[in-house]
Amino acid sequence: KQEVTQIPAALSVPEGENLVLNCSFTDSAIYNLQWFRQDPGKGLTSLLLIQSSQREQTSGRLNASLDKSSGRSTLYIAASQPGDSATYLCAAPKVSSGSARQLTFGSGTQLTVLP
Amino acid sequence: GAVVSQHPSWVICKSGTSVKIECRSLDFQATTMFWYRQFPKQSLMLMATSNEGSKATYEQGVEKDKFLINHASLTLSTLTVTSAHPEDSSFYICSASPLIAGGPQQFFGPGTRLTVL
Repeated sequence: KQEVTQIPAALSVPEGENLVLNCSFTDSAIYNLQWFRQDPGKGLTSLLLIQSSQREQTSGRLNASLDKSSGRSTLYIAASQPGDSATYLCAAPKVSSGSARQLTFGSGTQLTVLP
Repeated sequence: GAVVSQHPSWVICKSGTSVKIECRSLDFQATTMFWYRQFPKQSLMLMATSNEGSKATYEQGVEKDKFLINHASLTLSTLTVTSAHPEDSSFYICSASPLIAGGPQQFFGPGTRLTVL
């Protein structure tokens, strides 16, 4: 059974700081790992998807890395802005299902970027 | 980009009544849709996998007779919470996987907030 853990649970930083969010997963036989953003009371916005054969993906100020052997992924946010304030979720497929689309989510990191 | 809608966005109902939530893929066809539930301050938990034209597959601990799922077309899946109780109050989110893409791609709806009084 796949278990996904995220630390820290909450993070508050001043605007402009670079920051790292951590995600760990128990079963390293994953097809991919995804990072999502969730604003309060809203659905999910996909940020980055890293395939199992990749080590990192970049989109704008976001960079996600994947280390399958250690069961870890990090989301790096450069030059944080107040608009980045949200909950960030990582998700890995339920390996036992054989499907890359049935996801197990971490509990999220609630990020607050102070102006 | 691919868009998934949910209706209603929020609903309040009395205990004992049934509530239907719709999930639609607006600009693509989806053979598979997924239903998740999110309690306050918690993460999303997969409830069931809905396949067009066949019975849904429920996760362990999810009552199939309470959470009825119908995936009658390639663009619509419905979740009906039957005989709702206050403990069913939650944020329900669906996602849809495109017919063609195959792999891990899926797109999430905006969610439905259910409050059972």
